[in-house]
Amino acid sequence: TQLLEQSPQFLSIQEGENLTVYCNSSSVFSSLQWYRQEPGEGPVLLVTVVTGGEVKKLKRLTFQFGDARKDSSLHITAAQTGDTGLYLCAGTDSNYQLIWGAGTKLIIKP
Amino acid sequence: GAGVSQSPSNKVTEKGKDVELRCDPISGHTALYWYRQRLGQGLEFLIYFQGNSAPDKSGLPSDRFSAERTGESVSTLTIQRTQQEDSAVYLCASSLVGPPNSPLHFGNGTRLTVT
Repeated sequence: TQLLEQSPQFLSIQEGENLTVYCNSSSVFSSLQWYRQEPGEGPVLLVTVVTGGEVKKLKRLTFQFGDARKDSSLHITAAQTGDTGLYLCAGTDSNYQLIWGAGTKLIIKP
Repeated sequence: GAGVSQSPSNKVTEKGKDVELRCDPISGHTALYWYRQRLGQGLEFLIYFQGNSAPDKSGLPSDRFSAERTGESVSTLTIQRTQQEDSAVYLCASSLVGPPNSPLHFGNGTRLTVT
């Protein structure tokens, strides 16, 4: 069974701090997506990374795909209360199946 | 509508009853997914439809669960003889095409409570 492990499972920090969330696997993925889910809503796509070593920036969010395409990270600079949510990563494996991580619950305190 | 629509948004049912959950995907999206999400947890894959291909049912937890999709339109997820452990949010998503790069667009889910 292929797994995508996300860490930490839970993170609570003060507004203005920086943080990094990780998504790791022993499997290679052709692409990896990051989603954010707010309470009572479905997940919303933040970014898709497809090339090993790729870095994408979305305002204060920086996404990186590992060189070997087995892992990814999401870094948030100067976190804001609006960043609160459940962050999910999902990778597409060699069988074109979408494998989901269990999520990181992020709380930003004012 | 522009997004994925799910109904009902909330459903409370008694143990042993059958329930039917509906998903209206984005028009033109060939792929449709059903997921289950327990409180505070990640997504548990249930079933995947892609065009006219046979659906991938590998995630259905038991034979009490079934799903149908008519062409590239509406899908229904049916749970027979509901159990308390079926209580969860059921999320539907659609995408223009299947993996690898087509993003999923999710509905807001149906919150199912089995009493």
